[in-house]
Amino acid sequence: QVQLQESGPGLVKPSETLSVTCSVSGVSLSGYHWSWIRQPPGKGLEWIGFVNYDGSSHYNPSLRSRVTIFIDKSKSQFSLNLLSVTAADTAVYFCAGYEVGVGGRGYWGQGALVTVSS
Amino acid sequence: DIQLTQSPSTLSASVGDRVTITCRASQDLNNWLAWFQQKSGEVPKLLIYKVSNLESGVPSRFSGSGSGTEFTLTISSLQPDDFATYYCQHYNSYSWWAFGQGTKVEI
Repeated sequence: QVQLQESGPGLVKPSETLSVTCSVSGVSLSGYHWSWIRQPPGKGLEWIGFVNYDGSSHYNPSLRSRVTIFIDKSKSQFSLNLLSVTAADTAVYFCAGYEVGVGGRGYWGQGALVTVSS
Repeated sequence: DIQLTQSPSTLSASVGDRVTITCRASQDLNNWLAWFQQKSGEVPKLLIYKVSNLESGVPSRFSGSGSGTEFTLTISSLQPDDFATYYCQHYNSYSWWAFGQGTKVEI
């Protein structure tokens, strides 16, 4: 049974770094694009970026200057760092694994709410 | 970057209605287009991948079509369980992805 589980602080102060980790079990990390997607309260889905098994990554142009996504194969995890957060970064952060070459098929975590507030 | 525009943003319909949602892209998507359904407080659920392929377990009343820059999701006979928000998504292995802004289907 494949499981993706997000973990991280529920509250981050403005100007600090948001860090969230996704732990993957039941599937190999190879063969998937490991992605972060967020959803502000009451709003739509926003793609943040993805990392591949080989460590290569792609990011949303609107967030690229503040985002890093990296993979830790030894722990079967991948993580998101978002710098210099503001209240606009308050959202549910979903991790997801998309099967390479299939186009949308894969697995999602349950999502983790991260609030940016002092 | 690629922009996806869904229409309408909100759709009012009744059980049994045929419903069509459109997703227009700012450039050719090479058929890398998926449709998701999301209910309030839940994880998005994949319905259709690569334009027209029905995900396993998804009812056959859902179908997808299109090519290039214009795509549609059709629900042939709306059921009570289908009232939700629907998103199109562009995906590819070589650069950025994008979601449409969503279409809320309400009673």
